[in-house]
Amino acid sequence: DAGVIQSPRHEVTEMGQEVTLRCKPISGHDYLFWYRQTMMRGLELLIYFNNNVPIDDSGMPEDRFSAKMPNASFSTLKIQPSEPRDSAVYFCASSFGRGASPLHFGNGTRLTVT
Amino acid sequence: AQKVTQAQTEISVVEKEDVTLDCVYETRDTTYYLFWYKQPPSGELVFLIRRNSFDEQNEISGRYSWNFQKSTSSFNFTITASQVVDSAVYFCALSEALGEGTGNQFYFGTGTSLTVIP
Repeated sequence: DAGVIQSPRHEVTEMGQEVTLRCKPISGHDYLFWYRQTMMRGLELLIYFNNNVPIDDSGMPEDRFSAKMPNASFSTLKIQPSEPRDSAVYFCASSFGRGASPLHFGNGTRLTVT
Repeated sequence: AQKVTQAQTEISVVEKEDVTLDCVYETRDTTYYLFWYKQPPSGELVFLIRRNSFDEQNEISGRYSWNFQKSTSSFNFTITASQVVDSAVYFCALSEALGEGTGNQFYFGTGTSLTVIP
């Protein structure tokens, strides 16, 4: 069974560039989450979707961040323009149903903005 | 206020010692779920266990055991005879069974970094 797949694993970019992170959730899961992890702030929820519809994007830092889920098997998180403070590990996770189902995380994308 | 508190930021133990990682949660719901995740140095987040609020039985899985006590709102994790491979950051999380709708919010603690010294 394939888990949550994220790409790329590492991304290094210069300030001001556009960055797109990709995620393929586990087949059949109806929830998809984007998290950001930094030493200073720990794990932060950015946004989550249910059946491809954004439910809560209150964690998205600012307008530079956007997320889409065009279908049940693909989601993107875009940062435009990127800034050094965006450097972090970005995790995608998926789950089936509400509450009881654990989140299954991808391996993360380590983003470095210079 | 934090929904999930992991007061221990870092713990170091010598191999073969037992170690307990504390987790205290806060919720007004009667139905909720608690989770533990492991994040080894390689970085991935691995699901370890889930408990629901109606099941206070302790759980044991090999060297791992979990003690869920509603009276103290705690869900502690004990590793018996620790090994170097147990070195990781461990996260406790809470999910509340929300009412109608599609809300599905998870609350993570700040994690406890465990180092097992050979």
